[in-house]
Amino acid sequence: AQTVTQSQPEMSVQEAETVTLSCTYDTSESNYYLFWYKQPPSRQMILVIRQEAYKQQNATENRFSVNFQKAAKSFSLKISDSQLGDTAMYFCAFRRMEYGNKLVFGAGTILRVKS
Amino acid sequence: GAVVSQHPSWVICKSGTSVKIECRSLDFQATTMFWYRQFPKQSLMLMATSNEGSKATYEQGVEKDKFLINHASLTLSTLTVTSAHPEDSSFYICSARPPPEETQYFGPGTRLLVL
Repeated sequence: AQTVTQSQPEMSVQEAETVTLSCTYDTSESNYYLFWYKQPPSRQMILVIRQEAYKQQNATENRFSVNFQKAAKSFSLKISDSQLGDTAMYFCAFRRMEYGNKLVFGAGTILRVKS
Repeated sequence: GAVVSQHPSWVICKSGTSVKIECRSLDFQATTMFWYRQFPKQSLMLMATSNEGSKATYEQGVEKDKFLINHASLTLSTLTVTSAHPEDSSFYICSARPPPEETQYFGPGTRLLVL
């Protein structure tokens, strides 16, 4: 069974600074997807970024980028130029490639951006 | 991105009554939808996978008779909490993935309070 580990329960960062959230996972699959979702106080789950395991290049979405280390089974999220609106709980998630397969979530990291 | 809606957004009911929560995919058809439960500051716990036209697949430890799932159309899945008790109070979230996309989109969630 796949597992996802987020070792940082809470983090804080100053506005405009950079922060990195860590995520490791365990799987025997060679092809899969990895996601970072954000859950702000409204509790709406929002996709931040997605990475296909077969792609070597790290995914980037504006201020958000990942460091995907397949051999190490590591998938960290870097947030640059942190903004107050980035305050949220962040979840790392894993999914096998076949359609209909469920997401496996980590425990989450609460990120607080301070002014 | 695709839109998933839930109704109601919050509900208060008396112990012993049943509550139905609807999950709709507004701009795509979904043969599979997922139901999660989330406690405050915790991760999402997958309860079941809803399959259009067939029985839902429940995760280990989830009571099938307590949480009835019906996926009667390609755009609607319902979760009915039967004979609700205070311990069923929680935040319930659904999600779906529009093919051929790889991303799951989440509904805004339903807050259930059982008195």
